[in-house]
Amino acid sequence: SYELTQPLSLSLALRQTARITCGGNNIGSKTVFWYQQKPGQAPVLVIYRSTYRPSGIPQRFSGSNSGNTATLTIRGVQVGDEADYYCQVWDSSSAVFGTGTKVTVL
Amino acid sequence: QITLKESGPTRVKSTQTLTLTCSFSGFSLNTREVGVGWIRQPPGKALEWLALIYWDGDERYSPALRSRLTITKDTSKNQVVLTMTNVDPVDTATYYCARREGYGDFGGFDYWGQGTLVTVSS
Repeated sequence: SYELTQPLSLSLALRQTARITCGGNNIGSKTVFWYQQKPGQAPVLVIYRSTYRPSGIPQRFSGSNSGNTATLTIRGVQVGDEADYYCQVWDSSSAVFGTGTKVTVL
Repeated sequence: QITLKESGPTRVKSTQTLTLTCSFSGFSLNTREVGVGWIRQPPGKALEWLALIYWDGDERYSPALRSRLTITKDTSKNQVVLTMTNVDPVDTATYYCARREGYGDFGGFDYWGQGTLVTVSS
């Protein structure tokens, strides 16, 4: 079965740039979705089709996908961006979620 | 405005069957390329996709749990039901339902319910 690997955690200072990776075999050939989940809340879609932002998501959030790694970039990270982030792809009509990355803003 | 809400028991015993209902509004499961899925999250752990049903009745299941899951829809009631047989304490999790718009590789889960915590006791 297809697997997506993310770093467990990422800590960075206010207004720095966060780059959250999602590794998978030839993930560059797939469409990637990214979700933000704050404590006690349901996930929210922040990137779809690898690079597009839903309405209401700040421009600080962007996505890229190539080779074996997809990346969610958050420029000028804010305290409100502290959350768990999950990548997701479709593989043989099944949804596959990544292992999740906890982002902490110092 | 699109909303989804999960309902069902908060506690079940091992070996029993769990039945969860997702009630939604603001969209129709008669609309082409729309689906409703279930995703769960054990406490402190990652999201895990379980099942999905599409507007045309196509059903998809997690390969790991396929033998224990059944997903159905009642378009007239705007509901999707998930049943999971032979539950175990490892099935303790928050269960979410979510809408998917798109087919194939396109379309993520764009609207989610608030989730419902189900505890399985031995």
